[in-house]
Amino acid sequence: DAKTTQPPSMDCAEGRAANLPCNHSTISGNEYVYWYRQIHSQGPQYIIHGLKNNETNEMASLIITEDRKSSTLILPHATLRDTAVYYCIVRSTETSGSRLTFGEGTQLTVNP
Amino acid sequence: GAVVSQHPSRVICKSGTSVKIECRSLDFQATTMFWYRQFPKQSLMLMATSNEGSKATYEQGVEKDKFLINHASLTLSTLTVTSAHPEDSSFYICSAPWRGAGAFFGQGTRLTVV
Repeated sequence: DAKTTQPPSMDCAEGRAANLPCNHSTISGNEYVYWYRQIHSQGPQYIIHGLKNNETNEMASLIITEDRKSSTLILPHATLRDTAVYYCIVRSTETSGSRLTFGEGTQLTVNP
Repeated sequence: GAVVSQHPSRVICKSGTSVKIECRSLDFQATTMFWYRQFPKQSLMLMATSNEGSKATYEQGVEKDKFLINHASLTLSTLTVTSAHPEDSSFYICSAPWRGAGAFFGQGTRLTVV
């Protein structure tokens, strides 16, 4: 699976949009971009994933650049409960069975 | 929706004893489950892959005789930390693959060995 690079930490004001970047310059054509988050002392939580088109769900939006070498997770209206470590993971298949390899992630702190 | 339940959420044990952690997939079957370990301020590190009906696959550096994994059914995998020592104190997390979401994760187990 391709390696990802994320800033170690970011801050965001409550109510504002949080934009979390991820670089995955070595991504290959069949690899998806997944985002998870981990709130302190809990298991990771799935947020969203995509291949090449932008995606949106009730939690967030995922913007993938045209060359697919980077992506941005957008939390449109961050709340204090969104404070967590956010992990960007590139994975070779959408089907079940393959492992997820976690990098260091980005610690997002939402401030009141 | 699909959920993975992990139990216990927190356990304290004496050095030298064994501790069993359960991971259940609710409302779906999981032929494969993954076990991770996470030390404070670090990321999740994959320890082993649990395979239903066959032996687990361990990552390099993980002692298979110390971390016993059993995947006896399509909904249950267990991790037993044998002869636990203080350095085994950590946050253990299981996950089950799920098409579309990549995987669902358990709530995690905070193990403290005293």
